[in-house]
Amino acid sequence: AQSVAQPEDQVNVAEGNPLTVKCTYSVSGNPYLFWYVQYPNRGLQFLLKYITGDNLVKGSYGFEAEFNKSQTSFHLKKPSALVSDSALYFCAVRASGGSYIPTFGRGTSLIVHP
Amino acid sequence: SAVISQKPSRDICQRGTSLTIQCQVDSQVTMMFWYRQQPGQSLTLIATANQGSEATYESGFVIDKFPISRPNLTFSTLTVSNMSPEDSSIYLCSVEGGQAGTRYEQYFGPGTRLTVT
Repeated sequence: AQSVAQPEDQVNVAEGNPLTVKCTYSVSGNPYLFWYVQYPNRGLQFLLKYITGDNLVKGSYGFEAEFNKSQTSFHLKKPSALVSDSALYFCAVRASGGSYIPTFGRGTSLIVHP
Repeated sequence: SAVISQKPSRDICQRGTSLTIQCQVDSQVTMMFWYRQQPGQSLTLIATANQGSEATYESGFVIDKFPISRPNLTFSTLTVSNMSPEDSSIYLCSVEGGQAGTRYEQYFGPGTRLTVT
């Protein structure tokens, strides 16, 4: 079975400060990891993914995430937050050799204060 | 990336009635996914639909309640049957990227916001 944990329901950060949204996972075998973002009243958008290779992956809007196999984590980061980054963020995982269906975390609401 | 449209974008329905949600993709895809999302909450997969075969339903979802059609590689429908207020939710259609560089990524439609009274 595969699972994702996003331990924070909400993350608050001031504009211009770095942000981190946490994600840990559990999966049999090698993981494929994803971050998605959902802006208010809009559908989910793909942000970035880790499949293989460099542990640090870069995605849209200046976001990046670091795959840490020993800690089974895939935290989302951005060096300088913008008010427009305020949204709901979902982490997802699927096994590389198993089910093609990803499991989504419960989501973390990011609020960036001016 | 795939561009996905859904119709209707929202609807208010009476209990006991049915609503069919349409999902159109701008490219041919093998698998289409239907999710349900309570506002501000995570996604729950309802079923996976392959063209030319019966949809595969997740635990807790049955074909009689959520019949799905997949007549071709760019279109699918999800029907929410005999609705009750508990069916009030956002329904999302999704596909997986098939091009090199986009594999395994999922693309989502804008969603259908359903309210059952």
